[in-house]
Amino acid sequence: DQQVKQNSPSLSVQEGRISILNCDYTNSMFDYFLWYKKYPAEGPTFLISISSIKDKNEDGRFTVFLNKSAKHLSLHIVPSQPGDSAVYFCAARKLGNTPLVFGKGTRLSVIA
Amino acid sequence: DVKVTQSSRYLVKRTGEKVFLECVQDMDHENMFWYRQDPGLGLRLIYFSYDVKMKEKGDIPEGYSVSREKKERFSLILESASTNQTSMYLCASSVSGSTGELFFGEGSRLTVL
Repeated sequence: DQQVKQNSPSLSVQEGRISILNCDYTNSMFDYFLWYKKYPAEGPTFLISISSIKDKNEDGRFTVFLNKSAKHLSLHIVPSQPGDSAVYFCAARKLGNTPLVFGKGTRLSVIA
Repeated sequence: DVKVTQSSRYLVKRTGEKVFLECVQDMDHENMFWYRQDPGLGLRLIYFSYDVKMKEKGDIPEGYSVSREKKERFSLILESASTNQTSMYLCASSVSGSTGELFFGEGSRLTVL
């Protein structure tokens, strides 16, 4: 049973435009959400996070939106750059010292 | 700069061999994890550890074991490697009681022939 779902395996966006990556979750016990970025042959790196008590968190070109009623979050990248081309993983955490639950990832390609 | 170091970036082993993947972190983190990444399957948790000599099974522990004798070191062991264990293996660590943010190593690409 997949608790964190990224339904789009891939996304292609023109350089300079907005990239929107989506993530849905099923477990209402999740209280913290994170996005990771992964380049080939490297480990994932933390990108941005949001607590369940907020609905938006912004860091430079990256903004994460959380809609708790819909159990949905999205990552917006504006403007998209070729260096943003990577696999993006959505992850969620339940309250307490429990492992993150990851989605399957979305491969973003930013075309120059 | 915080660091999680995996001992081997690339390994090629034969079916039936015993494989050790070593991971060391220098951040004094309590929690350590082993994941594997496969195309279309995302990051799947194999084992994790919240303290020295403690271990917990993740989602796919079959065919693997782990060892945590020191706080900074977490080893993944494939007792008898099989071709379906060909994968990218990722070690990570985190602070206990934190937001859960993981710090990953660069990964170990294992090929089992």
